[in-house]
Amino acid sequence: KAGVTQTPRYLIKTRGQQVTLSCSPISGHRSVSWYQQTPGQGLQFLFEYFSETQRNKGNFPGRFSGRQFSNSRSEMNVSTLELGDSALYLCASMRAAGGVELFFGEGSRLTVL
Amino acid sequence: AQSVTQLGSHVSVSEGALVLLRCNYSSSVPPYLFWYVQYPNQGLQLLLKYTSAATLVKGINGFEAEFKKSETSFHLTKPSAHMSDAAEYFCAVSGAFGQAGTALIFGKGTTLSVSS
Repeated sequence: KAGVTQTPRYLIKTRGQQVTLSCSPISGHRSVSWYQQTPGQGLQFLFEYFSETQRNKGNFPGRFSGRQFSNSRSEMNVSTLELGDSALYLCASMRAAGGVELFFGEGSRLTVL
Repeated sequence: AQSVTQLGSHVSVSEGALVLLRCNYSSSVPPYLFWYVQYPNQGLQLLLKYTSAATLVKGINGFEAEFKKSETSFHLTKPSAHMSDAAEYFCAVSGAFGQAGTALIFGKGTTLSVSS
């Protein structure tokens, strides 16, 4: 059974640009969550999507957005990149409402220069 | 509000020694508690989870954790460390997991070093 797949694994952008990260959940999983991991702030929740609807959002500015498609694949977008957006962005999927286990992908490492 | 505190950002043990990683939580609702492990340049892998069943939870790779409500703790232990256990470990809490409005709250992490 394939795990959570995130693309790209590594990318470099410059300040002011925007970036789109992709996440394919485990087959059959309908919930997708995104987390940001930085050395200073640790792991922080960005948002969660379930059946194409955002049902929870963390405390991040509006530059961070996401969406989920009908096949449960998800994308997150960061516009007007800042140096502080450099981080490992982790996607996690979960079976359905009532599930308790998140399965994480290997992450997309974003470097903003 | 929920929070997690991991005591000790870095723990060093010798191979074969007991591993003890400490986690204390704060939650206004009955919590779900998790321990995840992260190896360099990889994502998070679930070691074990507490979901209000047995208070002593056994996980993968010989790890276990005990939920102690009176102490609001969920410490992770392993009787005998192996070199392959060297990694970063995260404790996390969530209430009513899987329902709308929930998310995992992670501790800052503990880096485990194992020496031969």
